[in-house]
Amino acid sequence: EAAVTQSPRSKVAVTGGKVTLSCHQTNNHDYMYWYRQDTGHGLRLIHYSYVADSTEKGDIPDGYKASRPSQENFSLILELASLSQTAVYFCASSDDTGGYAEQFFGPGTRLTVL
Amino acid sequence: QEKVQQSPESLIVPEGAMSSLNCTFSNSASQSIWWYQQHPGKGPEALISIFSNGNKKEGRLTVYLNRASLHVSLHIRDSQPSDSAVYLCAVGYNQGKLIFGQGTKLSIKP
Repeated sequence: EAAVTQSPRSKVAVTGGKVTLSCHQTNNHDYMYWYRQDTGHGLRLIHYSYVADSTEKGDIPDGYKASRPSQENFSLILELASLSQTAVYFCASSDDTGGYAEQFFGPGTRLTVL
Repeated sequence: QEKVQQSPESLIVPEGAMSSLNCTFSNSASQSIWWYQQHPGKGPEALISIFSNGNKKEGRLTVYLNRASLHVSLHIRDSQPSDSAVYLCAVGYNQGKLIFGQGTKLSIKP
């Protein structure tokens, strides 16, 4: 049974529209992350969270907001979607932030902004 | 900003041969090195990790880490068609941050 799920799995959005990507984990992990993956690039960290009701900026946070309403749920919000935000987005969870913990990834959401 | 560079970008290996992938990173203060495997349309899955200088073996996988040269390598013995995937090197730092390389696409040729 998948421990990290994402919805939707794919989405087409219009430029300037609002997009919300959702992530749910059943690992009982405190730490959750949002990454984007572009062709020819590895994963880049957008936002992360250590605890419910708190989020932190990652390496590329511009144009994105995050929300962590509970331990299990973590959302990524694009208030004004742009063409450059077309990418595959991955959510992950881990049980430690000490740099030694494995991160468990969801299946990804393919976002196309037109 | 820490950087992670992988080579080669793509690799074709005959079935049963050894596959060797390389990764260099910019900061020796890293706490961990991870190799993730990613099949098309799927999320990455952790294969193996190493925290200290030296090597670590798990099944057909061996990882070598040299912090002095900021280099880590992954070797897959007896490569199988099911090993065909993109392999991502990730370096772990404080606060659970992972910095990923751009990936190596491995194709095993029957």
